[in-house]
Amino acid sequence: DAGVTQSPTHLIKTRGQQVTLRCSPKSGHDTVSWYQQALGQGPQFIFQYYEEEERQRGNFPDRFSGHQFPNYSSELNVNALLLGDSALYLCASRPATSGFSYEQYFGPGTRLTVT
Amino acid sequence: AQSVTQLDSQVPVFEEAPVELRCNYSSSVSVYLFWYVQYPNQGLQLLLKYLSGSTLVESINGFEAEFNKSQTSFHLRKPSVHISDTAEYFCAVRPSGGYNKLIFGAGTRLAVHP
Repeated sequence: DAGVTQSPTHLIKTRGQQVTLRCSPKSGHDTVSWYQQALGQGPQFIFQYYEEEERQRGNFPDRFSGHQFPNYSSELNVNALLLGDSALYLCASRPATSGFSYEQYFGPGTRLTVT
Repeated sequence: AQSVTQLDSQVPVFEEAPVELRCNYSSSVSVYLFWYVQYPNQGLQLLLKYLSGSTLVESINGFEAEFNKSQTSFHLRKPSVHISDTAEYFCAVRPSGGYNKLIFGAGTRLAVHP
């Protein structure tokens, strides 16, 4: 059973460009969250998707947007890239029937470098 | 707003020595508490969690953490570390009533030396 997968592994973009990151949740999971982990810091919550809708959002500007597809996979889009957007972007999924376990499974991340 | 403070950014320790990684949180509501480990160039892996019940929780690889409500702490301990425990450790809280959003600390780099 494959875990959470993310693509691409690494990405280099120029300031002002747009980027799309992709995430496939673990089999049986229907909720996907995205986190930004800057170098030397802990992950920061960006937003969460459930039933193809954004359910909760962290303190990130509207340049950060997302989408969830009927197969539960998700995309993170960032427009007008800034140097400060350079980070490891982590996707996490959890199962619909997890009840109160609250366990999230993280992918390996996409390393985005903005030059 | 909830926050998590990991009191040590780096903890160097010799192999087979005991270690404690400290975590304090601030929250006016009930929380669920987690420790995650991140090995180089990898994502986060859940180490252990406290949801309710016994305040002492254990992982399968010898780590344990104790929830202390009065001190709002959730310190991670291991009586004897191995070289393979070298990694970044993150403490996280999930406020009750939310949608599973996790709030992470800045992390503690555990470096085990031979």
